Amino acid sequence: NAGVTQTPKFQVLKTGQSMTLQCAQDMNHEYMSWYRQDPGMGLRLIHYSVGAGITDQGEVPNGYNVSRSTTEDFPLRLLSAAPSQTSVYFCASSYSSGSWDEQFFGPGTRLTVL
Amino acid sequence: AQSVSQHNHHVILSEAASLELGCNYSYGGTVNLFWYVQYPGQHLQLLLKYFSGDPLVKGIKGFEAEFIKSKFSFNLRKPSVQWSDTAEYFCAVMTGGYNKLIFGAGTRLAVHP
Repeated sequence: NAGVTQTPKFQVLKTGQSMTLQCAQDMNHEYMSWYRQDPGMGLRLIHYSVGAGITDQGEVPNGYNVSRSTTEDFPLRLLSAAPSQTSVYFCASSYSSGSWDEQFFGPGTRLTVL
Repeated sequence: AQSVSQHNHHVILSEAASLELGCNYSYGGTVNLFWYVQYPGQHLQLLLKYFSGDPLVKGIKGFEAEFIKSKFSFNLRKPSVQWSDTAEYFCAVMTGGYNKLIFGAGTRLAVHP
């Protein structure tokens, strides 16, 4: 198993540009989520999904869209990038949405918005 | 809203020193508690977790944590650190459903040989 994969690893955008961060898992996990990591703030939940076709907002959803058309993929879209979205983005997945299930994290995408 | 506080932002130790990283959370109900580690250039990995039962939890690589409900704390400990423990450590809490983790700001640990 490759686990949780994310592409790209690094990305530089100009303000106003759009892009999609890709996340995929091959463990048949129902639950997937996106976090952003900022210095001194830990990780904050952006959006999550408890299964294909079901998504919901986390703590900091503004400026981001998600969809979950398949179990494997959970892309994160930035429609109009802003410098405040400069961050490291982590995707995570777990077998179910139950709290007892360990979340597995991807390697991250480092995004810079100029 | 629930929150997690990690009081030590940067810790510098020499090899073989003992380690204790503080973690406090604000929530009065049932909680599940976690410590994650992020080695330089790598993604987060689970060190240990507490759901119920014995409040002293043992994790990987010699780490342990103690849940003290009356103090809303879940401090991470290791009796003797190694250079390879240099990493950033995150405490996290889960209070409700849907596996939503609330993370602390993290503690950067540097261990010198």
